[in-house]
Amino acid sequence: AQTVTQSQPEMSVQEAETVTLSCTYDTSESDYYLFWYKQPPSRQMILVIRQEAYKQQNATENRFSVNFQKAAKSFSLKISDSQLGDAAMYFCAYRRGSNYQLIWGAGTKLIIKP
Amino acid sequence: DAGVIQSPRHEVTEMGQEVTLRCKPISGHDYLFWYRQTMMRGLELLIYFNNNVPIDDSGMPEDRFSAKMPNASFSTLKIQPSEPRDSAVYFCASSPSPRFNSPLHFGNGTRLTVT
Repeated sequence: AQTVTQSQPEMSVQEAETVTLSCTYDTSESDYYLFWYKQPPSRQMILVIRQEAYKQQNATENRFSVNFQKAAKSFSLKISDSQLGDAAMYFCAYRRGSNYQLIWGAGTKLIIKP
Repeated sequence: DAGVIQSPRHEVTEMGQEVTLRCKPISGHDYLFWYRQTMMRGLELLIYFNNNVPIDDSGMPEDRFSAKMPNASFSTLKIQPSEPRDSAVYFCASSPSPRFNSPLHFGNGTRLTVT
């Protein structure tokens, strides 16, 4: 069975600095997708970035980028120039390429220090 | 686009009562998902629909839980009778296409407290 592991329950970073959140997953599939979602105190789950396993190029969305290491089954999220609004729970999620079931990590709470 | 709309935002009820949670997906989205989030178990998929038809309800915990989607713009999740262990945040999400890299668009969730 597929699993997703986020080993950092909590991370903190100074405003304007860079932080990396780690995520590893376990799968025997070759076709899959990976996502990072953000959950601020408002509770809504918001997509931050996604990566298709067949793409070698790391996905980037403005200040957010991933380091996708397929062989190592690692999918870390880098947030550059951290802002106060980035404070939230961050969830890593895996989806097999044949169904809609999302496997979620336990989440990392990101604290931004002003 | 108003996004996925869930109601109520908070629900407090007594054990044994019936609870109905509501969801309006984004117009044009063919897939609708119900999730439950707790501290102990994280996010769990309860059920999902495609074109109003339930596709996978294997995550529904017990017969006390039921979900319906009578039309493309409305879905309900009902718990009858409710129990304290049902206390959680319930999310509805929708997705626009059958492509598996399509992101889910979540509502703000309903926080259910059963006393």
